[in-house]
Amino acid sequence: RKEVEQDPGPFNVPEGATVAFNCTYSNSASQSFFWYRQDCRKEPKLLMSVYSSGNEDGRFTAQLNRASQYISLLIRDSKLSDSATYLCVGHTGGFKTIFGAGTRLFVKA
Amino acid sequence: NAGVTQTPKFQVLKTGQSMTLQCAQDMNHNSMYWYRQDPGMGLRLIYYSASEGTTDKGEVPNGYNVSRLNKREFSLRLESAAPSQTSVYFCASSEAGGAGLLPQHFGDGTRLSIL
Repeated sequence: RKEVEQDPGPFNVPEGATVAFNCTYSNSASQSFFWYRQDCRKEPKLLMSVYSSGNEDGRFTAQLNRASQYISLLIRDSKLSDSATYLCVGHTGGFKTIFGAGTRLFVKA
Repeated sequence: NAGVTQTPKFQVLKTGQSMTLQCAQDMNHNSMYWYRQDPGMGLRLIYYSASEGTTDKGEVPNGYNVSRLNKREFSLRLESAAPSQTSVYFCASSEAGGAGLLPQHFGDGTRLSIL
């Protein structure tokens, strides 16, 4: 089992839809998690940090479920500009961050 | 603000050639990282430098060496390039916070092709 696994996608949704991605992690000692957004042929950019209590930023909500060892990202009212690859990142100890392979999202008009 | 700057942006090498990828950050971050990204895969950590003067192996260090030249600069060297090292390379940095607990800021990548 990979240390960090994501829904492979692609997710194809219409504008205005709500879409959710999950990301599971295998190291129960992991302490910090992040969601990054990566546009085609660009660098990853931080979207959200994931806190134990959940984190909301406008249309985006991130949740952490330690019991089931997964994090989630919910996007409400999807926009065309949300089309991108979403990467989850887990920290497995020391400085070795582990990226998931990414989930591709296509939002269509 | 420049953030994290990588050079070159593109490079084509022949098998067996050597080259160094440069990375510099102007955010006064202590920690720096080198990743590679291949199609259909997430970023894989090659090497990292937790602080100036230290470097450590990541997930895929074979075939690479690094140098933390000073607090700002962290270079990645391919001594004898192989076609399997064709990839997009990203450099990143983060503030000191212990154990990779803080988000990273990325450069815009180096696209490297090895023939």
